[in-house]
Amino acid sequence: DIQMTQSPSTLSASVGDRVTITCRASQSISTWLAWYQQKLGKAPKLLIYMASTLQGGVPSRFSGSGSGTDFSLTISSLQPDDFATYFCQQYHTYPWTFGQGTKVEIK
Amino acid sequence: QMQLQESGPGLVKPSQILSLTCSVSGDSIRGGNYWTWIRQHPEEGLGWIGNIDHRGTTNYNPSLKSRVTISIDTSKSQFSLKLNSVTAADTAVYFCARENRNGPYSIAFDVWGQGTKVTVSP
Repeated sequence: DIQMTQSPSTLSASVGDRVTITCRASQSISTWLAWYQQKLGKAPKLLIYMASTLQGGVPSRFSGSGSGTDFSLTISSLQPDDFATYFCQQYHTYPWTFGQGTKVEIK
Repeated sequence: QMQLQESGPGLVKPSQILSLTCSVSGDSIRGGNYWTWIRQHPEEGLGWIGNIDHRGTTNYNPSLKSRVTISIDTSKSQFSLKLNSVTAADTAVYFCARENRNGPYSIAFDVWGQGTKVTVSP
């Protein structure tokens, strides 16, 4: 299985901060990577697919980059609604696998 | 707008069969997308269980393949999960989701059910 490793596991930040979450794949996955946001008790929500394509309806403060094994999700100016847990997921090789999550907390 | 809704028992006894159904509304289940089951353990994060297309072609996670069956009933716009010989390790929140496909390529999971918690306990 392809292992997906996110860092940091927890991130403390303030409203207005620029935050970046990284995701590393154990082997190359080209750009077959998605990012999700999950709030407590809810299903994950797709933010970005193909590493950098913004899903419809997602605010433009979210952006994704990377290819191969190293990827990042950036929130340009953190908003109150953005405090949540974020997951990356590869869909290059079955079985599809997820990162362990990054919790973005209020500083 | 497409919606997915999981249903099934919230409590299953060890060694028995976990059985869940996902009802699809708002769009056709007969398109080119894949219909997926994912589970989330509190400590272990998200895990992909497997998927099925409208023709019944399946892909399973090898770690569960010997115990899992995913099926589809296009006439009812439903797909289902059966997991045999459950243990406490199968206690999790189970989600159904649509894997959006553009021909042979995946565009990830863009529609999710709300999730249903299943506890395996005597």
